[in-house]
Amino acid sequence: KAGVTQTPRYLIKTRGQQVTLSCSPISGHRSVSWYQQTPGQGLQFLFEYFSETQRNKGNFPGRFSGRQFSNSRSEMNVSTLELGDSALYLCASSLLTGGFHEQFFGPGTRLTVL
Amino acid sequence: QQQVKQSPQSLIVQKGGISIINCAYENTAFDYFPWYQQFPGKGPALLIAIRPDVSEKKEGRFTISFNKSAKQFSLHIMDSQPGDSATYFCAATGNTDKLIFGTGTRLQVFP
Repeated sequence: KAGVTQTPRYLIKTRGQQVTLSCSPISGHRSVSWYQQTPGQGLQFLFEYFSETQRNKGNFPGRFSGRQFSNSRSEMNVSTLELGDSALYLCASSLLTGGFHEQFFGPGTRLTVL
Repeated sequence: QQQVKQSPQSLIVQKGGISIINCAYENTAFDYFPWYQQFPGKGPALLIAIRPDVSEKKEGRFTISFNKSAKQFSLHIMDSQPGDSATYFCAATGNTDKLIFGTGTRLQVFP
């Protein structure tokens, strides 16, 4: 069974630009969560989608948004990029929502903002 | 109240030794406590998880000890191996997929 895939794996953008990251969950998984990982702040929850609906949202500004499609694939968008948005963005999928279901992480997208 | 505090930040252990990583939480609504292992260039992978109705869970060389009254839990890696060298994260959640992660422990196991 294929794991969680994220594209692109690496991305370089400049301040003020916007970026879209993509995540394909494990086949059959309906919940997708996004996390930001930085050396300073560690792993922080961005948002979670289940059946195309956002179920939870972390403490990030409105520049960070996401969506989920009917095939459970998800995208996250960051507008007006800032230097501090440089991070590894991780996507995780689980079979169902509700906390007790194992979340499988993808390899991440490394975003560098110059 | 949403924080999970993790220590130590880094740990150096000799091959065959025991590695111990500790975490503490405040939110009593948390009811699922997973540990993740992350290798460089990879996403975190679930290692072992526990729910607060048990005080200990063992899977192979990995054991979680859970103290509900103290709101603390720890990961013990027995017979540590160089292949265990990675960053370990504890996490907690309360019936959602929103994982609150600890700050991570970089483990180095030397032969």
